[in-house]
Amino acid sequence: KAGVTQTPRYLIKTRGQQVTLSCSPISGHRSVSWYQQTPGQGLQFLFEYFSETQRNKGNFPGRFSGRQFSNSRSEMNVSTLELGDSALYLCASSLRDLSSYNEQFFGPGTRLTVL
Amino acid sequence: AQKITQTQPGMFVQEKEAVTLDCTYDTSDQSYGLFWYKQPSSGEMIFLIYQGSYDEQNATEGRYSLNFQKARKSANLVISASQLGDSAMYFCAMRASTGTASKLTFGTGTRLQVTL
Repeated sequence: KAGVTQTPRYLIKTRGQQVTLSCSPISGHRSVSWYQQTPGQGLQFLFEYFSETQRNKGNFPGRFSGRQFSNSRSEMNVSTLELGDSALYLCASSLRDLSSYNEQFFGPGTRLTVL
Repeated sequence: AQKITQTQPGMFVQEKEAVTLDCTYDTSDQSYGLFWYKQPSSGEMIFLIYQGSYDEQNATEGRYSLNFQKARKSANLVISASQLGDSAMYFCAMRASTGTASKLTFGTGTRLQVTL
């Protein structure tokens, strides 16, 4: 069974631009969560999507948005990029939503650098 | 609000020795889950072990065991017979199973280095 895939793996953008990251969950998984990892703030939850609906959102500005498609693939968008958005963005999929225990499988991440 | 504390930024252990990585947590929820993840330099988070707040037995998965002390709010990871491939960052995380608080909260991590 293929794991969680994220594209692109590396991305370089300049301030003010926008970026879209993609995540394909494990086949059959309906929940996708996104996390931001930085040296200063560590791992922080961005949002969770389940069956195309945003179920939960972390404490991030509105510049961060996402969506999930009917095939469970998810995209995350960051508009008006700032230097502080440079981070590793991790996507995780699970069979059910986060309200019940089930293991989350993480992808390799997308490393975003904002210049 | 949930909080995870990992007080060991870095740890060294010799190959074949056991090592304990500390994790304490804070939550007012009665039902929660505790997780440990391993993150090699490649960046991918690898699930290691899970402990539910109502589980009476400590969780074990191969060389990994979780020393769960509910009254002390600690969930330490024990790795037995360390291997060179265990060198990585290790994160403790918690999820509270109540409504909208359904997200993983991570600690700051412990970098483990296994030496010969």
